[in-house]
Amino acid sequence: ETGVTQSPTHLIKTRGQQVTLRCSSQSGHNTVSWYQQALGQGPQFIFQYYREEENGRGNFPPRFSGLQFPNYSSELNVNALELDDSALYLCASSPTRGRRITGELFFGEGSRLTVL
Amino acid sequence: AQKVTQAQTEISVVEKEDVTLDCVYETRDTTYYLFWYKQPPSGELVFLIRRNSFDEQNEISGRYSWNFQKSTSSFNFTITASQVVDSAVYFCALMTGANSKLTFGKGITLSVRP
Repeated sequence: ETGVTQSPTHLIKTRGQQVTLRCSSQSGHNTVSWYQQALGQGPQFIFQYYREEENGRGNFPPRFSGLQFPNYSSELNVNALELDDSALYLCASSPTRGRRITGELFFGEGSRLTVL
Repeated sequence: AQKVTQAQTEISVVEKEDVTLDCVYETRDTTYYLFWYKQPPSGELVFLIRRNSFDEQNEISGRYSWNFQKSTSSFNFTITASQVVDSAVYFCALMTGANSKLTFGKGITLSVRP
């Protein structure tokens, strides 16, 4: 086990709705990243939060937003859901030092979102 | 821009065969990390190995071995004496940049038949 927990594990929404996914990072990790994995594809980087601030973003529209809390847990919010948002959403935490990479990254088991 | 290419999409072998999964990467960064992950049908990403750009030593862990060659920008993964439990999707990934972003390949589906 990685110590990274995500909730919910599965959920079903309809087009146009909004969803919030949650992630608790491993103890001591101050950085959380979110990835989207569509069926049959590799995970795609959505964004990263470091000490409550966004620290990099992939090619995702603004309706994908996030938060990181003082305890370093994080939320991913998706507004105006579209059918193509159906995917496995993975959270990863890492113990970056300053903003330099350490190479350590631990994934949660993911939240599987289905949009009907 | 960073890129990871896993040219093989599906591989099927019979148990006890050896199998090599190929990975080619592109980056202009001099400091980076390479990873291999296993994703069984349950969906979680299982970490297999991490290698930094300054360490080109090959590594062996039980039936698994990795061959990192900077000259060809490749980081290949070999499973010796494959087993049915090795059946999964395998991803190669590249980590670069201050935000530790991982760039994944498209994955290779490995099926090991009894």
